[in-house]
Amino acid sequence: QVQLVESGGGVVQPGRSLRLSCAASGFTFSNYTMHWVRQAPGKGLEWVALISYDESDKFYADSVKGRFTISRDNSKNTLYLQMNSLRPEDTSVYYCAGRSGGDDYWGQGTLVTVSS
Amino acid sequence: SYELTQPPSVSVSPGQTARITCSGDALPKKYAYWYQQKSGQAPVLVIYEDSKRPSGIPERFSGSSSGTMATLTISGAQVEDEADYYCYSTDSSGDHRVFGGGTKLTVL
Repeated sequence: QVQLVESGGGVVQPGRSLRLSCAASGFTFSNYTMHWVRQAPGKGLEWVALISYDESDKFYADSVKGRFTISRDNSKNTLYLQMNSLRPEDTSVYYCAGRSGGDDYWGQGTLVTVSS
Repeated sequence: SYELTQPPSVSVSPGQTARITCSGDALPKKYAYWYQQKSGQAPVLVIYEDSKRPSGIPERFSGSSSGTMATLTISGAQVEDEADYYCYSTDSSGDHRVFGGGTKLTVL
């Protein structure tokens, strides 16, 4: 069955870096545009970034542009999010998601807490 | 930055029709998508490309879009439909995706 499993979350001090990973299985990862979406505690969903199936397009929310970098390794069926210069307002559950038409897959999320 | 506007809450009795709206300037040219999120769970796509229903989603869920407003309709809402619902779309440039603020649906 389809699985997206995020990892790499944790507690980090402001200004530090963290790298999230998302391991995909059960579908043809290399055919899907992939996204990172986050949700602060008790808040709504916020789109963070997307990467096209072939990495030709990468787009970012204004709130993370210049600090976060999305990438993928289709040979490893893995999506990444490099997060630099982290701020307390980046504290959220981070979900990876992939969609192609009506096929839409999400992981269960990984919690990132930015606190001193 | 681009915004999608949803009502914070909608409340209906079981069996009634629930309608959740989403307004955005780019909706006349960009598709709307709708997600259902229950407490502690990842979101689930219930409508894509304005009005298409993914496999496995009950027929009582439908979507429409006209002008700058998209609407999610749940015909004969069930208690199990209680959740937060988010619309999702793209800005006019196509570079940015955005979620609406979410609507808490209460069915009781």
